[in-house]
Amino acid sequence: DQQVKQNSPSLSVQEGRISILNCDYTNSMFDYFLWYKKYPAEGPTFLISISSIKDKNEDGRFTVFLNKSAKHLSLHIVPSQPGDSAVYFCAAITSAGGNEKLTFGTGTRLTIIP
Amino acid sequence: EADIYQTPRYLVIGTGKKITLECSQTMGHDKMYWYQQDPGMELHLIHYSYGVNSTEKGDLSSESTVSRIRTEHFPLTLESARPSHTSQYLCASSDMGLAEGIDTQYFGPGTRLTVL
Repeated sequence: DQQVKQNSPSLSVQEGRISILNCDYTNSMFDYFLWYKKYPAEGPTFLISISSIKDKNEDGRFTVFLNKSAKHLSLHIVPSQPGDSAVYFCAAITSAGGNEKLTFGTGTRLTIIP
Repeated sequence: EADIYQTPRYLVIGTGKKITLECSQTMGHDKMYWYQQDPGMELHLIHYSYGVNSTEKGDLSSESTVSRIRTEHFPLTLESARPSHTSQYLCASSDMGLAEGIDTQYFGPGTRLTVL
């Protein structure tokens, strides 16, 4: 049973426009959510996170929105740049009880069209 | 910038061979992790360690084993490789790097293993 779902395997966006990547989760015990970016032949790199007590976190061009009632989060990239082309993984964690293992989604491949 | 290294980056090996995938980090992180990822699939945690002499199995069952004799080193071993072990293996380590208190995991570049 997949607890973190990224239903769009791929997304293409024109350079300069907004990229919106979506993620849904089923486990209500998740209280932190993270986005990782992965280039081919490299390991994932941490991008941005959000605690479940917030509904928005912004870092430069990247903003993550969390809708707890819908168990949905999204990553907005604006403006999109060619270097943003990568696979983006959504991940969730339950911090309670010392169990801090990440649960990952399957990823969305973002392609920025020049 | 995180310093976590994996060797080899690519490995093609025959069935039945014993292999060890190396992972080292120079950040002094106590927590280290091994993930397995197939193309188009999520990362699955197969092993983790919260410190020296601590190892635990992850969510995905794996025939591999790990050891943590030194803080900086977390090797993964397959005693007898099989084609079903063909995958990408990613090592990560973490600290309490964020103000919110969650662990940020830093990943190595991965080892792509092919077993013929």
